[in-house]
Amino acid sequence: DTAVSQTPKYLVTQMGNDKSIKCEQNLGHDTMYWYKQDSKKFLKIMFSYNNKELIINETVPNRFSPKSPDKAHLNLHINSLELGDSAVYFCASSRVGGGTDTQYFGPGTRLTVL
Amino acid sequence: AQSVAQPEDQVNVAEGNPLTVKCTYSVSGNPYLFWYVQYPNRGLQFLLKYITGDNLVKGSYGFEAEFNKSQTSFHLKKPSALVSDSALYFCAVRDGGGTYKYIFGTGTRLKVLA
Repeated sequence: DTAVSQTPKYLVTQMGNDKSIKCEQNLGHDTMYWYKQDSKKFLKIMFSYNNKELIINETVPNRFSPKSPDKAHLNLHINSLELGDSAVYFCASSRVGGGTDTQYFGPGTRLTVL
Repeated sequence: AQSVAQPEDQVNVAEGNPLTVKCTYSVSGNPYLFWYVQYPNRGLQFLLKYITGDNLVKGSYGFEAEFNKSQTSFHLKKPSALVSDSALYFCAVRDGGGTYKYIFGTGTRLKVLA
């Protein structure tokens, strides 16, 4: 009964391909996030959805497109993959407000672009 | 704009000694402050948070942190370090004024020596 799950765990692909990463949370949270962690372990927010509405979009190339079919899912689709997209991508969720606000992270998806 | 600084890339401490991992922040409103830990090849795990109330916050695994408003700091502490505490620690801040955006520090690698 994993709280935040991501698939796949590893993704190896060629430059120019299109790939998707899926995220699901079973915590009943209203807000979900995508983060990118680079090789130096810096963690940067990419997107956030609150109740299926995009609320944060951090100057990410438009090759990256998040989609939230419902409050429990937030998927990330990446078109025309580039070498610089290689990183670990983390999904997270939280319930914002009411003194909670703690983010719960998924295990990460390690993307390697060759 | 929100920001978080973790001035030390790495902290080394002997097992059994007290440890401190430093964090300073900048937000325009009331800060919501968090500490997370990341073990190798894992997602981030929540340790503790400060939103309001007592300035000394106790969290998981014997960790605690003290919110200091005048110094805009939220240092992570533990009275007696364990080898198993060795990991990457992230401080994060959210502006309690309504933004959903969490800003993470660059991380501090804690190494506890036996």
